[in-house]
Amino acid sequence: GAGVSQSPSNKVTEKGKDVELRCDPISGHTALYWYRQSLGQGLEFLIYFQGNSAPDKSGLPSDRFSAERTGGSVSTLTIQRTQQEDSAVYLCASSLEAEEEQYFGPGTRLTVT
Amino acid sequence: KQEVTQIPAALSVPEGENLVLNCSFTDSAIYNLQWFRQDPGKGLTSLLLIQSSQREQTSGRLNASLDKSSGRSTLYIAASQPGDSATYLCAVWASYGKLTFGQGTILTVHP
Repeated sequence: GAGVSQSPSNKVTEKGKDVELRCDPISGHTALYWYRQSLGQGLEFLIYFQGNSAPDKSGLPSDRFSAERTGGSVSTLTIQRTQQEDSAVYLCASSLEAEEEQYFGPGTRLTVT
Repeated sequence: KQEVTQIPAALSVPEGENLVLNCSFTDSAIYNLQWFRQDPGKGLTSLLLIQSSQREQTSGRLNASLDKSSGRSTLYIAASQPGDSATYLCAVWASYGKLTFGQGTILTVHP
């Protein structure tokens, strides 16, 4: 079956612009996670969704970052007023339930110029 | 705060060698531990998931062990092949699946 998909695969944006990154989890998966992978910080947790609610958003680095999930399916990560330090690969993962194995998407490579 | 460390940071071996990758974590109250593989420009592929009540998991040439009391896990790769070249990531679970990752070990297996 289809895995986790993310779009776009690559995004180049100018500093100060807003960007939206999309994640389509595996159908039926209730839990969804966003992670960020950057050269200096490695792979770090951003936010966790159970259904449409986000019980843990402790990893969001600033109030410029927000995420939502609708219909218990698609999630969008929005970064406002992008900065160069936002450049990273943003990975999404989903699992059937919160304590089940996670499956990762291919990621979105964001470059802020 | 949970911290995960992987040693070595990079490893280069000739084909056919058996090798061990190490992972240590500071908070032993983990839910599960998972090993991933990441190829350049790609997402993560799960290799082995060890639940907190388990001591080890095996899949083909891979064997992972977990010692919660000492805060350590090892990934053993038998008879390494060039196709095993990748970055190997260790991640520990919080109860609801939040993963804390190590920095990874970059493995190169040369023919």
